[in-house]
Amino acid sequence: DQQVKQNSPSLSVQEGRISILNCDYTNSMFDYFLWYKKYPAEGPTFLISISSIKDKNEDGRFTVFLNKSAKHLSLHIVPSQPGDSAVYFCAARSLQGAQKLVFGQGTRLTINP
Amino acid sequence: DSGVTQTPKHLITATGQRVTLRCSPRSGDLSVYWYQQSLDQGLQFLIQYYNGEERAKGNILERFSAQQFPDLHSELNLSSLELGDSALYFCASSPSPADPPPLHFGNGTRLTVT
Repeated sequence: DQQVKQNSPSLSVQEGRISILNCDYTNSMFDYFLWYKKYPAEGPTFLISISSIKDKNEDGRFTVFLNKSAKHLSLHIVPSQPGDSAVYFCAARSLQGAQKLVFGQGTRLTINP
Repeated sequence: DSGVTQTPKHLITATGQRVTLRCSPRSGDLSVYWYQQSLDQGLQFLIQYYNGEERAKGNILERFSAQQFPDLHSELNLSSLELGDSALYFCASSPSPADPPPLHFGNGTRLTVT
């Protein structure tokens, strides 16, 4: 049962342009959504989060949008930089149980110079 | 540096063997989570501990077990290893399960079963 889905395994974007990563979820009990970034041979690094009571959260070049009716969130990176090349994981926390994070499969973002 | 320390970084062992993975959480964090990442997959939740007590179990095999010690470090024990257990194993920590995320992850232990 894949509660969090990232349908694009990979994305290639030109440096300076906008990168948009998408994530869909099925569980209406999720109360927090997060994006993590992962470089090879490192653990996931927290990037940005959004509470289910909001529809947008911004932190510098990174903005996360949440559409609860569509059960969809997206991460916008503007402008994209070569150092943004990494695997991005969408994650969600459920109000049920012990509030663990449920992760999507990840999207590999490549920023081309 | 997330402050979460995992050892060893790499582990190569044979089928049927048993290994122990170790995690030290960030200073002040009481909750520890274990995740497994198989090749090019997402992170699968295994188990969570809070202040020494098991709080939640995910898709953890019966051959796997974990514990959290009084000094809050945690160990994940994997026994009767199979080829399919080859994966990255991540530990994460947070102050408590009730606090808003994020979890902070260590750099993982790469387990190779031959």
